[in-house]
Amino acid sequence: AQSVTQPDIHITVSEGASLELRCNYSYGATPYLFWYVQSPGQGLQLLLKYFSGDTLVQGIKGFEAEFKRSQSSFNLRKPSVHWSDAAEYFCAVGAESSASKIIFGSGTRLSIRP
Amino acid sequence: DTGVSQDPRHKITKRGQNVTFRCDPISEHNRLYWYRQTLGQGPEFLTYFQNEAQLEKSRLLSDRFSAERPKGSFSTLEIQRTEQGDSAMYLCASSHRTENTEAFFGQGTRLTVV
Repeated sequence: AQSVTQPDIHITVSEGASLELRCNYSYGATPYLFWYVQSPGQGLQLLLKYFSGDTLVQGIKGFEAEFKRSQSSFNLRKPSVHWSDAAEYFCAVGAESSASKIIFGSGTRLSIRP
Repeated sequence: DTGVSQDPRHKITKRGQNVTFRCDPISEHNRLYWYRQTLGQGPEFLTYFQNEAQLEKSRLLSDRFSAERPKGSFSTLEIQRTEQGDSAMYLCASSHRTENTEAFFGQGTRLTVV
């Protein structure tokens, strides 16, 4: 069965610093991979997705992620964070080759230090 | 199109009462999903519909839970005899009929059972 691991529960970075959020997945075939962001009390907004092709994907709000099959990873990066990036970030994998039935990780809470 | 709409946004109920939530998907989407998210966790899949047919139910969906999508458009999720453990955010998502399209999420319904 598919699974997603986000090893960092909470990360704090300074405003303007770079960010990398880690994600590892378990899936036998080529996965569909996603990063979602959730602000407190809100729904989920898709940041970016990987279905196939170029392993470096660009998303909204200046985020990017790189699919590394050999490491079963899909880490999220941003070169310079803004205070408005403080939120909960979820990595997810499409279950059973479906892009829309999704298995989520437990999330990483991002705090921004002024 | 304004995206996936959920109603109500917040619901407080006494233990033992029944509650019903509504989800209106994006109009051309034929797949509709329900997820549950407890505090500090990622969303967990509950059930999904393709048109009016309920194709899959998670074992998380006890017999107190029932979901319907009678005309293949909006969906309802009912919880009977609510328990404190049912307190969570209930998220609805919809996607287009092709496999490799991502799901779009609503803002969720926050249920508090007191």
